[in-house]
Amino acid sequence: GQQVMQIPQYQHVQEGEDFTTYCNSSTTLSNIQWYKQRPGGHPVFLIQLVKSGEVKKQKRLTFQFGEAKKNSSLHITATQTTDVGTYFCAGGANAGGTSYGKLTFGQGTILTVHP
Amino acid sequence: DSGVTQTPKHLITATGQRVTLRCSPRSGDLSVYWYQQSLDQGLQFLIQYYNGEERAKGNILERFSAQQFPDLHSELNLSSLELGDSALYFCASSGDDGIYTEAFFGQGTRLTVV
Repeated sequence: GQQVMQIPQYQHVQEGEDFTTYCNSSTTLSNIQWYKQRPGGHPVFLIQLVKSGEVKKQKRLTFQFGEAKKNSSLHITATQTTDVGTYFCAGGANAGGTSYGKLTFGQGTILTVHP
Repeated sequence: DSGVTQTPKHLITATGQRVTLRCSPRSGDLSVYWYQQSLDQGLQFLIQYYNGEERAKGNILERFSAQQFPDLHSELNLSSLELGDSALYFCASSGDDGIYTEAFFGQGTRLTVV
């Protein structure tokens, strides 16, 4: 079945440093979603990428979808203490070009930011 | 506040027991998803319902079952509980059953089996 691997599992950075988490799928994805879960909280949707090679930005966050639609990355520039949490990718595999299918979450990357 | 309500927030029970977790989706959302989050397992998809019907199944144990009622709330039943079932159980809802729609997660139910 579809597998979505996310690395690294943990990342510790000093405030102001950059951070990147990577998501890799064993199969071609139809879309990828990114979620953030603050400590003690619940996952919150950040963004969705659908097109091959797509790049989207949200302030200091940059999201990329690979050309082959098998990998994605989230890059945070100049981390802040408010960025702490777990970042999950979720890869979608649709059935025959429809919107139906299954989203598979990666294991998540736990980001710690030291002030 | 995501608009998804889960009860109870915390649950402590003994091995072998049965519990029911409840989820009320956001107003108007027809799809409900259940996830299990353990410390070392990330978010594991359990099951999805759409407008009362089972839509997709993930790594859900036979001891677990779920249903979605006509008012669209959903319940996840966990029986013959084992220590390893201790986890955070999330419910999420979305407007449709497609994979291109963002999911809104509830606050979760923390289950502790002792």
